[in-house]
Amino acid sequence: DAGVIQSPRHEVTEMGQEVTLRCKPISGHNSLFWYRQTMMRGLELLIYFNNNVPIDDSGMPEDRFSAKMPNASFSTLKIQPSEPRDSAVYFCASSLSTGGTDTQYFGPGTRLTVL
Amino acid sequence: DQQVKQNSPSLSVQEGRISILNCDYTNSMFDYFLWYKKYPAEGPTFLISISSIKDKNEDGRFTVFLNKSAKHLSLHIVPSQPGDSAVYFCAAWDSGTYKYIFGTGTRLKVLA
Repeated sequence: DAGVIQSPRHEVTEMGQEVTLRCKPISGHNSLFWYRQTMMRGLELLIYFNNNVPIDDSGMPEDRFSAKMPNASFSTLKIQPSEPRDSAVYFCASSLSTGGTDTQYFGPGTRLTVL
Repeated sequence: DQQVKQNSPSLSVQEGRISILNCDYTNSMFDYFLWYKKYPAEGPTFLISISSIKDKNEDGRFTVFLNKSAKHLSLHIVPSQPGDSAVYFCAAWDSGTYKYIFGTGTRLKVLA
């Protein structure tokens, strides 16, 4: 299996622009997670889906952030409009389910820089 | 407020010696804990886990210890190898919210 695939790997944009990050989970995994990594807060969970349905989006920082999962093999995280403080590495992860003992497999991340 | 804390941002250890990475948590309801390892430009990968019903779990050179009364867990790597140089994240499972809470990570550098 190719693992979790994320694109783009790097994104540089200007403040105010729309940014869309993409994720393809591991085939057969029913749960998908979006995380953001910063030096100050480590890995923060933004939102997670189970069977394509958003379960908990309490980690989404503001209304500027939105996520969708139109089918089992694709998810997007969108930031509109982007701000410099959104600069971070964004990870997508998938697991068989949302159970605590199910290992989450992470993608390589998207490094976002907002100028 | 950080519920999972890794108070040492970095650690340097000589090859062959023991590396000890620490993690503290605040919520006594956390009942499952993980360590993830992250190399530059890659996503975190699962390393080892421990349930709250145990106080130790061992996998090769890696051992995780859990002290529930102190709300503290540690990862021991013996012997340390240069390939172990990475950022290590601890994570706690919150069975109340069905989420993992991650720490801020500790960067380990193993010196040859």
